[in-house]
Amino acid sequence: GQQVMQIPQYQHVQEGEDFTTYCNSSTTLSNIQWYKQRPGGHPVFLIQLVKSGEVKKQKRLTFQFGEAKKNSSLHITATQTTDVGTYFCAGGEGANNLFFGTGTRLTVIP
Amino acid sequence: EAGVVQSPRYKIIEKKQPVAFWCNPISGHNTLYWYLQNLGQGPELLIRYENEEAVDDSQLPKDRFSAERLKGVDSTLKIQPAELGDSAVYLCASSLGGPGSYNEQFFGPGTRLTVL
Repeated sequence: GQQVMQIPQYQHVQEGEDFTTYCNSSTTLSNIQWYKQRPGGHPVFLIQLVKSGEVKKQKRLTFQFGEAKKNSSLHITATQTTDVGTYFCAGGEGANNLFFGTGTRLTVIP
Repeated sequence: EAGVVQSPRYKIIEKKQPVAFWCNPISGHNTLYWYLQNLGQGPELLIRYENEEAVDDSQLPKDRFSAERLKGVDSTLKIQPAELGDSAVYLCASSLGGPGSYNEQFFGPGTRLTVL
């Protein structure tokens, strides 16, 4: 079955430092979505990538989908305390069904 | 516009007791999902509905779990009997759905179940 792994599992950064989380799938994905879950909250959609090699930016966040559509990354520039939370990638092999990754928990030290 | 509504938010029961969770998706969303999330892990799909039809229930432990979405709107997930290992957060999500679409999912606040 499909597996989506994320690294690192945890990341502690000083406020202002950059942060990157990587997502790897055992199979080729049709699309990948990224979600953020604040402590005690529920996952909130950030973005979706569909095309091979696609790069999308949202302010300080940069999302990338690999050429082979088996990996993805999320990069945050100059982290802020509001970035704290767990970031999940979710890969799909077809429409609608997503397999969530293991998540990367980000802690930002003021 | 109201988001995905779930109730109850918290539930504490003793093992072997039944429990039910309710979800009302965003109006107009045809696809409804039930996920289980253990502490420190990502959501795991239990069942997905397209309108009233369960189109993927392969990960639902059918010996004790059941779900329904009779009118294609709100949904109920039931566990009977509950076991200690069922303690987790049960998340409901909805999306616009439709064949060939890759829709973002909107999650409810979840129900935190504790089985004693």
